[in-house]
Amino acid sequence: QSALTQPASVSGSPGQSITISCTGTSSDVGGYNYVSWYQQYPGKAPKLIIYDVSNRPSGVSNRFSASKSGNTASLTISGLQAEDEADYYCSSYTSSSTPVFGGGTKLTVL
Amino acid sequence: QVQVVESGGGLVKPGGSLRLSCVASGFRFSDYYMSWVRQAPGKGLEWISYITSRGTNVYYADSVKGRFTISRDDAKNSVYLQINSLRAEDTAMYYCARLAGWPNFDPWGQGTLVTVSS
Repeated sequence: QSALTQPASVSGSPGQSITISCTGTSSDVGGYNYVSWYQQYPGKAPKLIIYDVSNRPSGVSNRFSASKSGNTASLTISGLQAEDEADYYCSSYTSSSTPVFGGGTKLTVL
Repeated sequence: QVQVVESGGGLVKPGGSLRLSCVASGFRFSDYYMSWVRQAPGKGLEWISYITSRGTNVYYADSVKGRFTISRDDAKNSVYLQINSLRAEDTAMYYCARLAGWPNFDPWGQGTLVTVSS
């Protein structure tokens, strides 16, 4: 199973909004409403921030939102803050009954 | 609180073996699928294996199939990963995570580092 495609890096200034894309195929992202997103700080374990395409777990800021269109899922962070600087990964269920991750996106807050 | 804690990593020579352990607490362990995910130094996340509740089914990434074996002991709230025939490219932080839906890895442990080097 090939990894989902994410941009290697994105950047934005405090207060701005950024969007990270996650592109797969009809066998994963496009075929199921099972996409999740993770935030990972350096040296730390990942943390679930979005599940089932667009749902936020309790305690996750509402500045994080997500959606899906066709084979591409997207994570949007609004009102960018310095603490949002981290790596972000998407993940999808696949037709092989297994999960697959994206390659990860490094977010830099300028 | 809901948490998982890994152990068992270390430095091992190529061709060697290790058994990673993950102990869970704060939730009804037997009801959940459990998974292992690894991250090579400076690289992204790679799913490697999961086991269904009651151990009915197991799944592996192609990169580890035939060398890694996942198992669970519901009486001990534990999931294990036996890793054999280790290669340099298996060097990574190995994370245990509960699968709380698809593909909702939550929570994650702090990871256990496996280093394969002669």
